[in-house]
Amino acid sequence: EAQVTQNPRYLITVTGKKLTVTCSQNMNHEYMSWYRQDPGLGLRQIYYSMNVEVTDKGDVPEGYKVSRKEKRNFPLILESPSPNQTSLYFCASSPIGQGGGSSYNSPLHFGNGTRLTVT
Amino acid sequence: GNSVTQMEGPVTLSEEAFLTINCTYTATGYPSLFWYVQYPGEGLQLLLKATKADDKGSNKGFEATYRKETTSFHLEKGSVQVSDSAVYFCATTSGTYKYIFGTGTRLKVLA
Repeated sequence: EAQVTQNPRYLITVTGKKLTVTCSQNMNHEYMSWYRQDPGLGLRQIYYSMNVEVTDKGDVPEGYKVSRKEKRNFPLILESPSPNQTSLYFCASSPIGQGGGSSYNSPLHFGNGTRLTVT
Repeated sequence: GNSVTQMEGPVTLSEEAFLTINCTYTATGYPSLFWYVQYPGEGLQLLLKATKADDKGSNKGFEATYRKETTSFHLEKGSVQVSDSAVYFCATTSGTYKYIFGTGTRLKVLA
């Protein structure tokens, strides 16, 4: 079954304790991205990756790191979590190369989310 | 840059009622437009999309038409069901493989 798998689903941690949220996809997608979802703000992009070893900042990258050493995996790292990073996080992937004209129109495939609480 | 504005929720309807969720966008160039749906406890999943002006996307009884003259992509369904209760997100893309999402509209359908 084609899917994006995130782990863990729920995580409660304390300020300053490093954590990693894993994301893996089995669809051989080049593009992967991390979002956070907060009430009233919708989804905001944290980081994205166009392929192995190619990553770039999204709209809210502060306090986060990513790596893309293999095509299937795209972990999100919080080196020193703070309470303002309490949120619902989603990983997503899509193929590249289905854009028509100047517009990218490949649908994103999402994981089921990781609810992070930092106290 | 591109942006999306969608109507505030929550929207509460009775079963079999007509649904409209408004979405307008600002964009340079010719963006693609999407509606995603998020059921409780799950990630977002694509509901429908349109890639050029006057295209109509449709799926599961939902429809939306890409209107360039009004920069809109309103979601409609003629007869909602309890199982349609979810959060709906309008989204657009730029030419740099970046998605921009609206804030989401929660729909609650009562039996």
